[in-house]
Amino acid sequence: DAKTTQPTSMDCAEGRAANLPCNHSTISGNEYVYWYRQIHSQGPQYIIHGLKNNETNEMASLIITEDRKSSTLILPHATLRDTAVYYCIVRPNTGKLIFGQGTTLQVKP
Amino acid sequence: DADVTQTPRNRITKTGKRIMLECSQTKGHDRMYWYRQDPGLGLRLIYYSFDVKDINKGEISDGYSVSRQAQAKFSLSLESAIPNQTALYFCATSPGTSRPYEQYFGPGTRLTVT
Repeated sequence: DAKTTQPTSMDCAEGRAANLPCNHSTISGNEYVYWYRQIHSQGPQYIIHGLKNNETNEMASLIITEDRKSSTLILPHATLRDTAVYYCIVRPNTGKLIFGQGTTLQVKP
Repeated sequence: DADVTQTPRNRITKTGKRIMLECSQTKGHDRMYWYRQDPGLGLRLIYYSFDVKDINKGEISDGYSVSRQAQAKFSLSLESAIPNQTALYFCATSPGTSRPYEQYFGPGTRLTVT
């Protein structure tokens, strides 16, 4: 399983785009990139996933580099409610997720 | 009503006691999971079940056991609780082969072993 590296913490101004990076240089061809977030003491919440192409849904956009060694989760207009720990997970499409340390995003007014 | 429920939400127990944490879901998903979360360590997978007859160990299954009583129910047991099992426990479900990455989590059970 590919290992991911994320910054420990990031700040973002309310209303601005939050760009959360993730490095996964050992990713293999059949491994997906998943993003989850966890608001304090709540259960994690699925955000988005991708394999090769960029993806967008109502919550966020996922940009995966052409070599697939890194990706960026974009929250286009961050709100205070987006303050959470964001997890980047790289796994085969088996449904068994392994959560790492994640990035603590603090959205500030 | 919540799609994934966990009972109890909070529990304090003594070392050596047997305790069961219960999870129920109304999402109709085949797959269910148990995780624990410790401060600074993220979530770790304890056990998972892809259907009623399928139980698998996760990263940290020692000291735990599970029972999949029905598609909708997945229980986690600590046969003899110890203080280092103090943690926040989450149950999760997923739709199966159609969207296995999309897991839905319950609200968590905060367990304290004294």
